[in-house]
Amino acid sequence: SQTIHQWPATLVQPVGSPLSLECTVEGTSNPNLYWYRQAAGRGLQLLFYSVGIGQISSEVPQNLSASRPQDRQFILSSKKLLLSDSGFYLCAWSVSLLAGAPDTQYFGPGTRLTVL
Amino acid sequence: GQQVMQIPQYQHVQEGEDFTTYCNSSTTLSNIQWYKQRPGGHPVFLIQLVKSGEVKKQKRLTFQFGEAKKNSSLHITATQTTDVGTYFCAGRRFNKFYFGSGTKLNVKP
Repeated sequence: SQTIHQWPATLVQPVGSPLSLECTVEGTSNPNLYWYRQAAGRGLQLLFYSVGIGQISSEVPQNLSASRPQDRQFILSSKKLLLSDSGFYLCAWSVSLLAGAPDTQYFGPGTRLTVL
Repeated sequence: GQQVMQIPQYQHVQEGEDFTTYCNSSTTLSNIQWYKQRPGGHPVFLIQLVKSGEVKKQKRLTFQFGEAKKNSSLHITATQTTDVGTYFCAGRRFNKFYFGSGTKLNVKP
């Protein structure tokens, strides 16, 4: 069966410090991978998605970046964190690109980031 | 740009009352999915609707996809305290999912 891991679970970082959040998927090959951010009490904002190794699409301009060095590894990074980067970061994966085919997104447990 | 609007933002009901949340997209969607997020947890997939006018049921939950594939609704009959959480719709267009802002449901026992 497939599983998705995210770490760390919680993180408190000072403004201006770097960030690296990691997401890995097990039990599937060539998944679509996604990074979302959820501000407190708000909806999910798509940050990045990837359909393959080295292929990253950015949805919103920001000081965050993403990389996919391996098929089942997705990393979210920042060189200098801002206060506004605080939030709940969720990684997700899905399988199919075909319209109409099952393409459920499976979410990881998330990382709660607080920037002080 | 692509948007999926979801209303209401909050809903407080007495246990046993019905609940409905609505999503509307500015453009036609390939499919629409619904997720539930319990307080402190991550979104969990509930269902996917693909066909125009499709209706699906899961026990007390009824999901509808509009004829134009631009809107959808989730209706819960006779809510229970276990229904508490935030319900999100997510419309798929090409390779991306556009999430609604969610409806937070609170059920008073």
